[in-house]
Amino acid sequence: AQSVTQLDSQVPVFEEAPVELRCNYSSSVSVYLFWYVQYPNQGLQLLLKYLSGSTLVKGINGFEAEFNKSQTSFHLRKPSVHISDTAEYFCAVTTDSWGKLQFGAGTQVVVTP
Amino acid sequence: ETGVTQSPTHLIKTRGQQVTLRCSSQSGHNTVSWYQQALGQGPQFIFQYYREEENGRGNFPPRFSGLQFPNYSSELNVNALELDDSALYLCASSPGVGSSYEQYFGPGTRLTVT
Repeated sequence: AQSVTQLDSQVPVFEEAPVELRCNYSSSVSVYLFWYVQYPNQGLQLLLKYLSGSTLVKGINGFEAEFNKSQTSFHLRKPSVHISDTAEYFCAVTTDSWGKLQFGAGTQVVVTP
Repeated sequence: ETGVTQSPTHLIKTRGQQVTLRCSSQSGHNTVSWYQQALGQGPQFIFQYYREEENGRGNFPPRFSGLQFPNYSSELNVNALELDDSALYLCASSPGVGSSYEQYFGPGTRLTVT
């Protein structure tokens, strides 16, 4: 069985500052990793995914994440945030070719001017 | 291309009642998954349907059941509602096995059990 831990429940950040959201996972087999964003009263939108290959993954809206197998981490970063990045961010993992996802508890990002 | 749609948007039920939630998958997708997202938590996998057959189930009791229809739309049924069933229920569709593993999520149905 796999598990996902998001180390920060809330991250306050100023506009145009960088942000990093931390995600660690545990699994006895190879995993596929995802970051999703959820805006208030909406469903989930995929930001980026790691399936294989380059460990640095670039996604939408200027986000990127780095897969670190030795540290079992998949941290999400953005060099300069906007007010519109205020949302909940979820890290998710699957070992299943059908894409059944296990999510972390989420990190609430609050961007202030 | 129409995305994943869910109905209703919100509903309120009383403990002990039964509820049916509906999901229309994205065009071309034959796989539908359901997730429960309690307030302040991440989504939890309930089950998945592929071509009208259940294709895996999470740690949910049998009173959570589902259906998938020939057009790949899906229903989630919950019997004997409990207060803890209050949550956002998310439906996600995908093109099937090995399809880049990506799930496309609908906006969700907010269920409140009183």
